[in-house]
Amino acid sequence: QVQLLESGPGLVKPSETLSLTCIVSGGSMSSNYWSWIRQPPGKGLEWIGYIYYSGSTNSNPSLKSRVTISADTSKNQLSLKLSSVSAADTAVYYCVRHLMATVQIFDYWGQGTLVTVSS
Amino acid sequence: SYVLTQPPSVSVAPGKTATITCGGDTIGSKSVHWYQQRPGQAPVLVIYYDSDRPSGIPERFSGSNSGNTATLTISRVEAGDEADYYCQVWDSGSDYYIFGTGTQVTVL
Repeated sequence: QVQLLESGPGLVKPSETLSLTCIVSGGSMSSNYWSWIRQPPGKGLEWIGYIYYSGSTNSNPSLKSRVTISADTSKNQLSLKLSSVSAADTAVYYCVRHLMATVQIFDYWGQGTLVTVSS
Repeated sequence: SYVLTQPPSVSVAPGKTATITCGGDTIGSKSVHWYQQRPGQAPVLVIYYDSDRPSGIPERFSGSNSGNTATLTISRVEAGDEADYYCQVWDSGSDYYIFGTGTQVTVL
């Protein structure tokens, strides 16, 4: 069974860059889409962006200018960088696998990691 | 931008049926997926492609989609079904993912 484990600093200062890593275990990254999704405390879910195992990416237009998603399939690892953060970026960040052979369904979610933006 | 609207909360007695709606413009023309998020946990896929159930999801969970409303139905509700539920669609034209506003299901 696929497991996803996010890691990174729990506290980031305003205007700095948020950097998270997700380790994929129990399966290969090949032939799959992988997304980052976030959830501000007490609020709903927001899709940040995805990367296909081949390296192609796409992101939420509202975040596109600040988002970088990358993957190292040899290490079964993907990364998220979000620049120029503000308090509005405080959220639980989830690493998510898309259902095999589909682009539109999220089937495995990591446990999530809380990132707080504060000075 | 495309908006998916859900009722903020639904209350249901144990053993009864909970109905959660997800409203969107001609949502019936899109595929809808549903996620359950128990308190403090990550979301779990419970229905995909409007009405399909992933393995391990009880038959008590069912879905439908037509016109401007998609519906998640939970039959014979149990205490363990208490959670937030989110609908989700993929806008193929813009390759963009939209989540509903979320519905908190309370088991009385």
